[in-house]
Amino acid sequence: DVKVTQSSRYLVKRTGEKVFLECVQDMDHENMFWYRQDPGLGLRLIYFSYDVKMKEKGDIPEGYSVSREKKERFSLILESASTNQTSMYLCASSSYTGQDLETQYFGPGTRLLVL
Amino acid sequence: TQLLEQSPQFLSIQEGENLTVYCNSSSVFSSLQWYRQEPGEGPVLLVTVVTGGEVKKLKRLTFQFGDARKDSSLHITAAQPGDTGLYLCAGASGTYKYIFGTGTRLKVLA
Repeated sequence: DVKVTQSSRYLVKRTGEKVFLECVQDMDHENMFWYRQDPGLGLRLIYFSYDVKMKEKGDIPEGYSVSREKKERFSLILESASTNQTSMYLCASSSYTGQDLETQYFGPGTRLLVL
Repeated sequence: TQLLEQSPQFLSIQEGENLTVYCNSSSVFSSLQWYRQEPGEGPVLLVTVVTGGEVKKLKRLTFQFGDARKDSSLHITAAQPGDTGLYLCAGASGTYKYIFGTGTRLKVLA
């Protein structure tokens, strides 16, 4: 069965802390994505990676960085957490098929609260 | 900038009723997807539509892709409480990038 796991379901951090969100997929997918989900705004792409050590900025990369040292793992880093980064963070993976739209498999999400 | 707007934003209906949700854009998309997200979970793919005018059925769910490939609709017949969730449409925006709609939150009351 396809599986994307995220390291935490809930996190509470303080302003200025460095925050690591981990995502692991067991499907040998090339592509991995980090989104944030806010009410009324849908899912917004933060970063994505199409190969190990490769990364591309999405629509809202400011304040975030990512790391992909192994194919199965994609980490999102908040260098200095701020209250406006309180959100639901979703990780996804997909396999390259050459189609415009591939099936994305999502993790259950991490709800982050920054105080 | 490509945008996908969904309507309605919220929908609360009784079990057994029919409903339609819409996904609209001013841009042409080569294909569109619909996902459903249940509380506490990530979105799960329901369908991909790739041809203008295409209609796909998934049990009580009917998906249509507009002829001009700028819009899509999802129709649910005889809604059930298990249909409750957030429905999201998504389109491709360049290589590897996806645009997601704003979502329609559906609640079906027993």
